[in-house]
Amino acid sequence: NAGVTQTPKFRVLKTGQSMTLLCAQDMNHEYMYWYRQDPGMGLRLIHYSVGEGTTAKGEVPDGYNVSRLKKQNFLLGLESAAPSQTSVYFCASRRVLGTWKGTDTQYFGPGTRLTVL
Amino acid sequence: QKEVEQDPGPLSVPEGAIVSLNCTYSNSAFQYFMWYRQYSRKGPELLMYTYSSGNKEDGRFTAQVDKSSKYISLFIRDSQPSDSATYLCAMSANTGNQFYFGTGTSLTVIP
Repeated sequence: NAGVTQTPKFRVLKTGQSMTLLCAQDMNHEYMYWYRQDPGMGLRLIHYSVGEGTTAKGEVPDGYNVSRLKKQNFLLGLESAAPSQTSVYFCASRRVLGTWKGTDTQYFGPGTRLTVL
Repeated sequence: QKEVEQDPGPLSVPEGAIVSLNCTYSNSAFQYFMWYRQYSRKGPELLMYTYSSGNKEDGRFTAQVDKSSKYISLFIRDSQPSDSATYLCAMSANTGNQFYFGTGTSLTVIP
């Protein structure tokens, strides 16, 4: 199993450009998450999905859109990139067994380093 | 006020030392408490999790939760150079849909 993979690993954008980050997982997990990690801010949740065809806003959703058309994929889109979106983006997935008891951990991808000039 | 506060360090200790890492939080709804380890340029990986208050031990690692004080700790005994990483605390309420992370503490264990 590859686990959680993210494409691309690095990207440089100019202000106003658009792009899509792809997250794929082969563990048949129900939940998927997109986070951004910035120095001094920790990991902050952008959007998440509790199943195919569903998405929900997290802590910092503005400027991002997401889609989960297939269970194994979770896409993060930036329609008009801004320098404030320079960050490392992490995708995570987790299996859910009934009521969550903390044992179904989040598995993280390796991250995408995005720079917006 | 951030939901979760964590001292960013950096923390530098000699090999074999006992390390104490801490987080405080403000949301009394948090029930699940986790510690993640993140090596440089890698994604976080779960180290330990605890439900509600109490202690949990796993090898050289001990996690403590004091809900009355809204304070959690991770202790590392006999620290090794391979423990050098950033340690993130994370918390969630019953739904488990959203996780709130601390900023991370950077730890270096010197041989």
